[in-house]
Amino acid sequence: GAVVSQHPSWVICKSGTSVKIECRSLDFQATTMFWYRQFPKQSLMLMATSNEGSKATYEQGVEKDKFLINHASLTLSTLTVTSAHPEDSSFYICSAPSPTNEKLFFGSGTQLSVL
Amino acid sequence: GENVEQHPSTLSVQEGDSAVIKCTYSDSASNYFPWYKQELGKRPQLIIDIRSNVGEKKDQRIAVTLNKTAKHFSLHITETQPEDSAVYFCAPPPRYNFNKFYFGSGTKLNVKP
Repeated sequence: GAVVSQHPSWVICKSGTSVKIECRSLDFQATTMFWYRQFPKQSLMLMATSNEGSKATYEQGVEKDKFLINHASLTLSTLTVTSAHPEDSSFYICSAPSPTNEKLFFGSGTQLSVL
Repeated sequence: GENVEQHPSTLSVQEGDSAVIKCTYSDSASNYFPWYKQELGKRPQLIIDIRSNVGEKKDQRIAVTLNKTAKHFSLHITETQPEDSAVYFCAPPPRYNFNKFYFGSGTKLNVKP
């Protein structure tokens, strides 16, 4: 199956700093990627849809100025958590759909801890 | 858009028993039905899928059945093992709703040794 690479796997940062998470599709092109956030024992919550060559679309309640998304190429999307606060601590995971838009391939996730 | 419900939300079975998780969908035109497994702290992974032109598909201890008339599909795990403990999600792909993939609450399966 297709491979999606996500880095870093975990990050600890101080409150007020920014953190960038990268998501790459290694063997296929992804014009669309999805960013999810998952709190402990909860489901995957869609945050935003990253679109290559255009602006990301954000779900209701997700601050676009706080969670900056850049889809720089057909294989790379980045999520930057700006001015992170302890309540932003969560598991962030990206995914890319198959070319037929039927199944999702997920990155390995990033555990963010904001002190 | 697609409205998906998954039951049960939690399931606890003894090792060796069978487990069944059911997913009900609303879009009668849906034609692809995947199941994902997410172990604690890891990424969700596709474990089995089925297309609308077949009623059942098996892969060793796991199987998926589809009832198009009733609009539900089920995941069956036989001879459960502790490593089957995970959260399972059904996620029929979007046909509308700007092609976004939303996930329900999933089913937490606990296999007791």
